[in-house]
Amino acid sequence: GNSVTQMEGPVTLSEEAFLTINCTYTATGYPSLFWYVQYPGEGLQLLLKATKADDKGSNKGFEATYRKETTSFHLEKGSVQVSDSAVYFCALSNNQGGKLIFGQGTELSVKP
Amino acid sequence: GAGVSQTPSNKVTEKGKYVELRCDPISGHTALYWYRQSLGQGPEFLIYFQGTGAADDSGLPNDRFFAVRPEGSVSTLKIQRTERGDSAVYLCASSPQDTTSTDTQYFGPGTRLTVL
Repeated sequence: GNSVTQMEGPVTLSEEAFLTINCTYTATGYPSLFWYVQYPGEGLQLLLKATKADDKGSNKGFEATYRKETTSFHLEKGSVQVSDSAVYFCALSNNQGGKLIFGQGTELSVKP
Repeated sequence: GAGVSQTPSNKVTEKGKYVELRCDPISGHTALYWYRQSLGQGPEFLIYFQGTGAADDSGLPNDRFFAVRPEGSVSTLKIQRTERGDSAVYLCASSPQDTTSTDTQYFGPGTRLTVL
C-alpha cells in the first residue's frame, strides 16, 4: 500500500541554521509528493509540491527534490527563521481521486 | 476570496450522542475531502466527493460515519453513537478538480471534536 514516513520531531534549531526534514514514501506507480505546513493556530497549507521524478518544488526558501531511486522527498532550507516554527507534513497522492496520504508530521521549533 | 470554512470550531459531546460537522468549500471547487487528525498524527483520509457523489469512502472507519454533499457545495459529516475514540480534529479540504493527483487541496481550520 501507500505510506509516508517522516523523521520524528521535535526538531529544535537556532535561527539561520540549516534545516533538513527527511521524508520517504512507499507507493505503486508514480505519485505526486507534497509538503504541507501547519503554523500555530492556523490550518494546513501547501508549502511545495513535485509531480514527477527529479522535479524540485520550492517556496519561501524551502526546497524538496523528488528522488524516485531513493523514494524520498526531503525538505531543506538553508537558513531558518523563527517564523518557520510549525509542524511540517509530507504527503503523497497516487491518482486515487487526489486523496492525500500524510506522514505523522515533524514539529520544528526555531529559537532566536 | 473566502477559504474553506468549518463549523463548529469546537464540539463537545457525550458518548453515544449524534453529531454533525459542516464544511463550506471554496466556491466553485468540485472536489471535497474529509480527513481526521488525531493528536500528534498526520491527517487520515475519510471520504472524497466529486460533485454530489461520494467517489471514495474507503477511509470511513465504520458505519457510524456518514457524509453527504447534496448540492455539490456544502458537506456534512455525520457521526452516530459517538465513542471516545472518535475524539480528534476533523479537517475538510477542497480543490478545483479531481482529474489529477497534482491539484492543491485547500484546508479548513478544522472542527475539534471531544467525546466525553
